Amino acid sequence: GAVVSQHPSWVICKSGTSVKIECRSLDFQATTMFWYRQFPKQSLMLMATSNEGSKATYEQGVEKDKFLINHASLTLSTLTVTSAHPEDSSFYICSASLSGNTIYFGEGSWLTVV
Amino acid sequence: DAKTTQPPSMDCAEGRAANLPCNHSTISGNEYVYWYRQIHSQGPQYIIHGLKNNETNEMASLIITEDRKSSTLILPHATLRDTAVYYCIVRPITGRRALTFGSGTRLQVQP
Repeated sequence: GAVVSQHPSWVICKSGTSVKIECRSLDFQATTMFWYRQFPKQSLMLMATSNEGSKATYEQGVEKDKFLINHASLTLSTLTVTSAHPEDSSFYICSASLSGNTIYFGEGSWLTVV
Repeated sequence: DAKTTQPPSMDCAEGRAANLPCNHSTISGNEYVYWYRQIHSQGPQYIIHGLKNNETNEMASLIITEDRKSSTLILPHATLRDTAVYYCIVRPITGRRALTFGSGTRLQVQP
């Protein structure tokens, strides 16, 4: 079964509004989670590394004020897309390490900004 | 992290073995080889990983060459549900680094 869960699976929001995506590790504690974005027919691109109890580390070119990440507990990280625009429409995916070095991914969240 | 090279696409007949190659000629001694796949509109699914020995689990087998510069993922009896993009990724043993995805191989299993 799934070890990392995301919610919602899909969301439609109006341009200018904010939307929050949750990523939960199931039955294990994840001090580090990772957020990716994937556009159609492209590969996954790492956006940021979410660290429990500290600030997230963003990849070059990713606006930290636009993509707010909060990792307030060992089982939950959230990604908030602020002031969303149509170009933010994408497939957002989170991942976390269960044990050792294996990383598991959530089901992904489709965001459509209209 | 070491860069990997995979063919962009492959076809395989249903029921036959699918052999997906990956080159990672710059891999270092402290890097594992991981394989994931992504079925359309889903998050990536972990398949298998290894360091230098061949590995097998319920999903697949991983064959790593002795010099560790290449590997092959083997799906022994491909089904239509194995149609997906397969990613070969190398990652250090230690640390909390994320996985870096390349373009992968799009495997189409034909009926």
